[in-house]
Amino acid sequence: GQQVMQIPQYQHVQEGEDFTTYCNSSTTLSNIQWYKQRPGGHPVFLIQLVKSGEVKKQKRLTFQFGEAKKNSSLHITATQTTDVGTYFCAGPGSEKLVFGKGTKLTVNP
Amino acid sequence: GAVVSQHPSWVICKSGTSVKIECRSLDFQATTMFWYRQFPKQSLMLMATSNEGSKATYEQGVEKDKFLINHASLTLSTLTVTSAHPEDSSFYICSADPQGAYYGYTFGSGTRLTVV
Repeated sequence: GQQVMQIPQYQHVQEGEDFTTYCNSSTTLSNIQWYKQRPGGHPVFLIQLVKSGEVKKQKRLTFQFGEAKKNSSLHITATQTTDVGTYFCAGPGSEKLVFGKGTKLTVNP
Repeated sequence: GAVVSQHPSWVICKSGTSVKIECRSLDFQATTMFWYRQFPKQSLMLMATSNEGSKATYEQGVEKDKFLINHASLTLSTLTVTSAHPEDSSFYICSADPQGAYYGYTFGSGTRLTVV
C-alpha cells in the first residue's frame, strides 16, 4: 500500500537556527498536507499543497511540493521555542489520509 | 472553522472495565470519522474508520471486538475500549474531514487513557 516516509525522525536545534523536514511518498499525490502537534496536544492542520512545484509560506514556515508530486518539505527559518512539536506530512490514500511518522523538533533556547 | 469535540480528555480505569470515548463534530456533518492511537513519542496509528450508519472499517491487527466503534449519527462517533488492560493505555485521537473546505482533517483534542 501507499507509504509516506518522513525524515528526520528527530531534530534538535538552537533557537535561531533553521529546520527542515522532508516527506516522500511511494506514489504520486493529488495533494499533501502538513500538521503540527504540540507536546501533549493534538495534530493541527497547517496547510495543503495541491499544485506541482507549489511553494507556500506562512510567516517563517515555507512549504514546498515537488515537481513530481511525490515529495514535500517544510522549512522553518530562525526557529523559536514556540516551534517545538512534531510535524507530520500526510497524503491522501484510499479513503483516508496516510501520515508520515513525523519529525519531532526540539529547540534549545 | 470546523471543530471536533472529544471527551473525556483523560480517564483512569481499572483493568477489566470498559471505557467509552466520544467524538462530536460541532459545526459540520461527518459521515466518516477516523480513530487513531498514539504511543508516547510515536506517530499516529490509524485504528479504524468509522462510517455513519454502517460498520466501521478496522485496520489490520486491530481487534474489532476490543475496540468497538459506533457512528450512529452524522455528528457522533464513539470508541469503546472493552475489558481494558494496562497495555491499552495510550492517547486516543479522533478526526474528521469537513469535506471540501480544504482545511485538512480536524482532530479532536484526544483522550489519554490509563488502565490500572
